[in-house]
Amino acid sequence: EDQVTQSPEALRLQEGESSSLNCSYTVSGLRGLFWYRQDPGKGPEFLFTLYSAGEEKEKERLKATLTKKESFLHITAPKPEDSATYLCAVHGSSNTGKLIFGQGTTLQVKP
Amino acid sequence: SAVISQKPSRDICQRGTSLTIQCQVDSQVTMMFWYRQQPGQSLTLIATANQGSEATYESGFVIDKFPISRPNLTFSTLTVSNMSPEDSSIYLCSVGGNTGELFFGEGSRLTVL
Repeated sequence: EDQVTQSPEALRLQEGESSSLNCSYTVSGLRGLFWYRQDPGKGPEFLFTLYSAGEEKEKERLKATLTKKESFLHITAPKPEDSATYLCAVHGSSNTGKLIFGQGTTLQVKP
Repeated sequence: SAVISQKPSRDICQRGTSLTIQCQVDSQVTMMFWYRQQPGQSLTLIATANQGSEATYESGFVIDKFPISRPNLTFSTLTVSNMSPEDSSIYLCSVGGNTGELFFGEGSRLTVL
């Protein structure tokens, strides 16, 4: 059964303090690993797709990386507006079109 | 990316009643997905709605409780039937993108008293 575990559950950073969020996964035939940002009261906003180990994607202060067992979302010099819940999801070959989500990491960046 | 509109955005309902959530997409899509997000939890897939066929439900979700309609390629509804406080959640409609990602609506926040 496909499974996604995210850590930590919550993370508090000072503005400018870089850190990383972890997403560990087990999946039969990875078709894609996805990162989302979710603000309170909103639907998830798509950030990145990673397909194979070694792949990296960047967007502003965020960089996502992928290995065969986990993915990291690196946040460089975060700002208060980066505060949100970050969700990781996987699409496996046994689940057509369906994404399995982790529990998320709630990030708070203080000025 | 697709633009997805959901109605209602939020509602407060009485126990034992039913509520229908509407999802409108600005382009034609084959598959639409309905997810539930319970308070403090992540997203759980309820069912996949294909136009012209019965919805496919995930383990733990049944058609009598969550009937789904998919009359055309841009619209779907999810009904939450005979509601109890345990049904208080955010219900999210989503569609697939070109590279496997999903795009989500803003969600419908349901509170059952």
